Amino acid sequence: DAKTTQPNSMESNEEEPVHLPCNHSTISGTDYIHWYRQLPSQGPEYVIHGLTSNVNNRMASLAIAEDRKSSTLILHRATLRDAAVYYCILRDDYGGSQGNLIFGKGTKLSVKP
Amino acid sequence: DTEVTQTPKHLVMGMTNKKSLKCEQHMGHRAMYWYKQKAKKPPELMFVYSYEKLSINESVPSRFSPECPNSSLLNLHLHALQPEDSALYLCASSQVPGTSGTYEQYFGPGTRLTVT
Repeated sequence: DAKTTQPNSMESNEEEPVHLPCNHSTISGTDYIHWYRQLPSQGPEYVIHGLTSNVNNRMASLAIAEDRKSSTLILHRATLRDAAVYYCILRDDYGGSQGNLIFGKGTKLSVKP
Repeated sequence: DTEVTQTPKHLVMGMTNKKSLKCEQHMGHRAMYWYKQKAKKPPELMFVYSYEKLSINESVPSRFSPECPNSSLLNLHLHALQPEDSALYLCASSQVPGTSGTYEQYFGPGTRLTVT
């Protein structure tokens, strides 16, 4: 699985938008971009995923660069509950990954009231 | 029901003990996973089960023995562990890859294991 690069930490103010970047310059054509987050003392939870087009769901938006070498997870209005470690993961969902999630170090997001 | 449950929540065991971790899901998922997470580190994949058969073992020492007795249950049997095995053990489940497009993994809250 291709590698991703994320900032170690970011800080946001409550009720402001947050843009979490992820670089994946070696992404292959069949790699999906997945985002998971892990709140303190909990297991990871799925946030969003995409292949080429931007995606929106109730939790967040995913903006994917045209060359797919980077992506940005967007939380439209951060709340204190969004403080977590956010993981950007590449996975070949149609290839031989067998469902594996290979977690990188992630970005620890802090939200200030 | 999108819940994965894990028991116990906490476990302290000596190096000569035998214990088991349990994981259960009722989402009809036929792929189940064990991950290990050390403090302030990302989760690391240990085992993958697909249709109740072990499909991936990420070179995990034999003192960890997984078992999938049915499609809803996943166990991790522990024997002769070392203090460095102390970690959070996470279970996850998903649809089997390739059966219906992309698929997300659902994680349990984990079992915090301390080996003394």
